[in-house]
Amino acid sequence: NAGVTQTPKFQVLKTGQSMTLQCAQDMNHEYMSWYRQDPGMGLRLIHYSVGAGITDQGEVPNGYNVSRSTTEDFPLRLLSAAPSQTSVYFCASSPAGVGQKETQYFGPGTRLLVL
Amino acid sequence: GENVEQHPSTLSVQEGDSAVIKCTYSDSASNYFPWYKQELGKRPQLIIDIRSNVGEKKDQRIAVTLNKTAKHFSLHITETQPEDSAVYFCAAASNTGNQFYFGTGTSLTVIP
Repeated sequence: NAGVTQTPKFQVLKTGQSMTLQCAQDMNHEYMSWYRQDPGMGLRLIHYSVGAGITDQGEVPNGYNVSRSTTEDFPLRLLSAAPSQTSVYFCASSPAGVGQKETQYFGPGTRLLVL
Repeated sequence: GENVEQHPSTLSVQEGDSAVIKCTYSDSASNYFPWYKQELGKRPQLIIDIRSNVGEKKDQRIAVTLNKTAKHFSLHITETQPEDSAVYFCAAASNTGNQFYFGTGTSLTVIP
């Protein structure tokens, strides 16, 4: 198993540009999530999904969209990038279903710089 | 929502000494508390977790304790080694299990 994969590893955007961060897992996990990590602030949940076709907002959802058309993929879209979105983005997955709490496995991260 | 506070933000110990990192949480309904280790430039990796029906859990040199009444939990690392140097994050899962709230991290340095 490749586990959780993310692409790209690094991206530079100009303010106002759009892009999609890709996340995929091959462990048949139901739960997937996106976090951003900023210095001194830990990891903050952006959006999460408890299964295909179901998504919900986390702590910091503004400026980001997600969709979950398959179990494997959970892309994160920035519609109009802003410098405040400069961060390291981690995708994670868990075998948990709704209401369960299990270990999250993180992807390698995407470092995003918005100029 | 849940609020997780973590202390200290930095910690330096001599090799062989013990290290303790403490976290508090606000939502009494939270009942799953993982700890992650993150080395520089790498992804967070789970090192130990505890559920609210357990007061303590140990895995070799690492242990976690949970006090539900006081709403705090702690990570204990004994016989520290230089390879323990990293940033450690605590987290608490929401009562639905669908949202995880992380502490702000502790940068641990083990001095040889």
